[in-house]
Parts: sequence; C-alpha cells; structure tokens
Amino acid sequence: DAKTTQPPSMDCAEGRAANLPCNHSTISGNEYVYWYRQIHSQGPQYIIHGLKNNETNEMASLIITEDRKSSTLILPHATLRDTAVYYCIVANDYKLSFGAGTTVTVRA
Amino acid sequence: GAVVSQHPSRVICKSGTSVKIECRSLDFQATTMFWYRQFPKKSLMLMATSNEGSKATYEQGVEKDKFLINHASLTLSTLTVTSAHPEDSSFYICSASTRLAIADTQYFGPGTRLTVL
Repeated sequence: DAKTTQPPSMDCAEGRAANLPCNHSTISGNEYVYWYRQIHSQGPQYIIHGLKNNETNEMASLIITEDRKSSTLILPHATLRDTAVYYCIVANDYKLSFGAGTTVTVRA
Repeated sequence: GAVVSQHPSRVICKSGTSVKIECRSLDFQATTMFWYRQFPKKSLMLMATSNEGSKATYEQGVEKDKFLINHASLTLSTLTVTSAHPEDSSFYICSASTRLAIADTQYFGPGTRLTVL
C-alpha cells in the first residue's frame, strides 16, 4: 500500500538541475511530504520536507502542487556526489515508510 | 548539527551468538529512536520505535524476543540481535528524532553491516 509513486531511475548531467517527481494522490490533509536520499551503503540523509508551501534549503527545493497530489524535488546544480537513491515519503507521524525510491545517477 | 552515530559499523559473528549495536545522538537529545533493517537491493523496513525510558514498539512480524531494544537515555539506544542466524545478516540502521514537532525530521546513523556465519 505504497503512498507515493516515483520513477525507478533517472539520469542527469553534472551541473544541471535535477527534477525528481513524486506522485502522492492519496495524501491526506495532515500529511507532510519528506525527501531523503541514501548513498550506497550509508544511512539515509534528510533533504527537505513540506506541507503545502514550496520550501527551499541549502540542499534542494521542494515544489508541491496546489492540490498536494504531487511534488518535485529540485537539486539546482547536480554533482557526481548527488548520485543516490532518493525517497519521497508522506507521513503524518513519526513513522516513515520507505518505498523503492528513484535511483538518480549524475553523469559527468 | 543532528549527528547520529552507530557502533560497530561492521560485525561478523558466528551463528548462535548475540550482537549488540549502539546508536547515539551526538549533539541533540533524542526522545525517540527508530531501528530499520535493509536487505541488499531492498528498501529500509522499520523494525521498531523506542522511546526513552519505555518499552519499544515493534512492527508486525518483528520478533521482540529476538531483537531486544533498550533506550536507556536520551542519547543512546541499543539493538541486540539474540542468537543470530545467517538470515539475520543485514544492514541495520537507526534514526533519532526529538519529536518536538509533528514534522520533526529523523536523522539517520551510518548503519551497521551484520554478517552471521
């Protein structure tokens, strides 16, 4: 009963923006959208989260559609070190359910 | 800030022995810690949630007598895999949260690779 749908993989060019889509059409009003990433053989790293407004931090921007049924994570200038599995998670409590995520490969 | 450490990073043990994994929040007090397991090429699966000073809450299908969790302080939680068997070989990852707000983030440790021979 996955709450989010992400493409299994995507490539992007180093130095370009990477736009990672996520569908969460069954999101409820009190659920937040979280993004984490996992570099091979490491623990996940928190990226960003939001409820309904767009958010930006030093790592990325999160764009949430007005109906909240989808969102996009934007890495403004991808580097080779951004190669990882990116997880989009919706949750309204402290339990995070990780799906398969999107494997992002940044190519030189 | 928000650093979580795990020890050991790797452990190899013989079948039937017990292994203890420590999870520490280094620069914040973690009201709640979570333990996950990840098999090769699979996603993280939540095993249990532990709150400081109280019993852990285990996810369905996780044997609480096999995976003992202790959260004795606001900065330390331990996972003990008792009588480990080869099928327990996995990547174990903890996370910590202050739970001060509903959208409080979880900060993850680097993981512990357990190999049971």
